[in-house]
Amino acid sequence: EAGVVQSPRYKIIEKKQPVAFWCNPISGHNTLYWYLQNLGQGPELLIRYENEEAVDDSQLPKDRFSAERLKGVDSTLKIQPAELGDSAVYLCASSKSGRYDEQFFGPGTRLTVL
Amino acid sequence: ILNVEQSPQSLHVQEGDSTNFTCSFPSSNFYALHWYRWETAKSPEALFVMTLNGDEKKKGRISATLNTKEGYSYLYIKGSQPEDSATYLCAFGGATNKLIFGTGTLLAVQP
Repeated sequence: EAGVVQSPRYKIIEKKQPVAFWCNPISGHNTLYWYLQNLGQGPELLIRYENEEAVDDSQLPKDRFSAERLKGVDSTLKIQPAELGDSAVYLCASSKSGRYDEQFFGPGTRLTVL
Repeated sequence: ILNVEQSPQSLHVQEGDSTNFTCSFPSSNFYALHWYRWETAKSPEALFVMTLNGDEKKKGRISATLNTKEGYSYLYIKGSQPEDSATYLCAFGGATNKLIFGTGTLLAVQP
């Protein structure tokens, strides 16, 4: 069974540029999560999808971040424009359901904003 | 603000040593406690999902216990091996319906 796929693995951009991350969850997993992990911190939830519906986006900075999960399968997270403080690892995870089921993580995208 | 704390922050042990880490979490509105292992350049991998007070889970040389009344969980590794080197994350699931992660314990096992 294929795991959670994320791309790109690494991204370096200049501040004020846009950037997008892509995630393909495990087949059959209804719940998809995007996490932000800053250096020395644990992952923090940005947004959670149940199928195509964003059910928790309370931590997503909506002035510059956006996400979509068309057709309830893969998902894209976008930052526009990127700021220096956005440098971090962006993790995608999926689970069968959203009620504290085991989460399966992708390898993450390490973003560096110069 | 929900606080999940892990200790120690880092740990260096010799191959063959046994070790343990602590995860502290709120003792109210408990639903689940997750442990994940995150090796460098790989994806975080679930070790245990624990839901009941007194739960004890084991996978090979790794085991975990759970005390929801006092708000802590211990992760034990018996006979550490170099391949156990990783960051171990715990995550608390409460009434917010999302996992709150600790900052992790970085384990380095020297051959």
